[in-house]
Amino acid sequence: RKEVEQDPGPFNVPEGATVAFNCTYSNSASQSFFWYRQDCRKEPKLLMSVYSSGNEDGRFTAQLNRASQYISLLIRDSKLSDSATYLCVVFVFSGGYNKLIFGAGTRLAVHP
Amino acid sequence: GAVVSQHPSWVICKSGTSVKIECRSLDFQATTMFWYRQFPKQSLMLMATSNEGSKATYEQGVEKDKFLINHASLTLSTLTVTSAHPEDSSFYICSVRRGNGASLTYEQYFGPGTRLTVT
Repeated sequence: RKEVEQDPGPFNVPEGATVAFNCTYSNSASQSFFWYRQDCRKEPKLLMSVYSSGNEDGRFTAQLNRASQYISLLIRDSKLSDSATYLCVVFVFSGGYNKLIFGAGTRLAVHP
Repeated sequence: GAVVSQHPSWVICKSGTSVKIECRSLDFQATTMFWYRQFPKQSLMLMATSNEGSKATYEQGVEKDKFLINHASLTLSTLTVTSAHPEDSSFYICSVRRGNGASLTYEQYFGPGTRLTVT
């Protein structure tokens, strides 16, 4: 089983739509959580961190449920420029071992 | 501006040759740098953690004699793919982490990546 699982998509949505992505993680030592965005053939870029209380940044809302080991990202009022792959990322910190673990990503395509 | 640079951005080489990829931290000194590899439609996989002045720490399944890492200064780490084969063709991305890796307060920045094609 993968440590971070995401639906690969693609999610094809019209401009203005609201779309939600989900992610589950298996390592209970996961301490911090992030959503990254990756454009085709580019490096990943941090979109937002995810906190237990939930957090919002403009049109983007992230939620974390530690009990269920589940993370979500909601995008409202989708723009064409939101088309990308969204990576769910967890930071595992356990003694001398700490690293980011990436999901394979969910592809979003926003069309006119 | 960019925090991390990589060079080259893409390279094509023949099977059996070696390729060196450079990663530079532009904004701050980095005692630790990370090397990732990403195959098409797959997640980034950590290959190794590069430690300035000491040996790199390799992830399970990554051959340290094939992927040589040198972190000679606080701003430069290099990854050399030795005796490259077509199955080594991939997107190699380095990353630097600002902050104390032993705490949860940090930011991690990624280089633009190097696309390696081995023919």
